[in-house]
Amino acid sequence: GENVEQHPSTLSVQEGDSAVIKCTYSDSASNYFPWYKQELGKRPQLIIDIRSNVGEKKDQRIAVTLNKTAKHFSLHITETQPEDSAVYFCAASSENTGNQFYFGTGTSLTVIP
Amino acid sequence: KAGVTQTPRYLIKTRGQQVTLSCSPISGHRSVSWYQQTPGQGLQFLFEYFSETQRNKGNFPGRFSGRQFSNSRSEMNVSTLELGDSALYLCASSHGSGLYGYTFGSGTRLTVV
Repeated sequence: GENVEQHPSTLSVQEGDSAVIKCTYSDSASNYFPWYKQELGKRPQLIIDIRSNVGEKKDQRIAVTLNKTAKHFSLHITETQPEDSAVYFCAASSENTGNQFYFGTGTSLTVIP
Repeated sequence: KAGVTQTPRYLIKTRGQQVTLSCSPISGHRSVSWYQQTPGQGLQFLFEYFSETQRNKGNFPGRFSGRQFSNSRSEMNVSTLELGDSALYLCASSHGSGLYGYTFGSGTRLTVV
C-alpha cells in the first residue's frame, strides 16, 4: 500500500520567516494530496490541497508544490505568524484506495514571536 | 451547514469494558472514516464506511468494529478495553471518492483506567 513520509517532525522558525514541510509518497497512483493543520486540542482542518494535474497551488500565505516524477510534495508558509503554530499533516489518496487517506506522521511547527 | 458531530466528547472507562462512539457526518456525505490519534503515533486509520458498507480497514484488532446506518451516521465500538486504547478518536466525513478532503469532527477523548 501507500507509504507517506513527512519531514521534519519538528520545526521552529522566527516570526516572519518561511517554513517548509516536505512529504514523499510511494504509490504512483496517488493523485490527491491534502494538508491538514491541527492546533492544540482541536480537530485537524484542511488548509490546502493539490491534485496531480497541477504542479503548484497558492492560497494567500500558504502554497503547496507537487513533483509527480520524484513523488514528493511540500507545504510552504511565508511570513509566518504565531497563529501558524500547530501540527501539520500531509496525506495522499487516489480513487484506487477508495476513500482511504494515508497520512504523514506530522510536523510540529512553532513560530517564535 | 452543520459540521461533523461526534458524541460523547469525553469518556472514562475501565479496562475490560466496552464503549460505543457516535459520528454524524455532514449532510450529503456518504463516507465516514475513523482514526485513532495518540501522542507520537499520528493518525492511525481504523476503518471507513461508505453507504453502510465497510470499504477499507486498518490494522487494528477485531475488538475495534463499526457500522454505518442508512442516514450515514456511524458508530464505532471497542470491546474489552485496554489501557492502550486511551486516545482521541476522530471521525472524518467526506464524499467518498478519495479526491476531496475530509472534514473532521472534534473527536471523542477516551481514557481507559
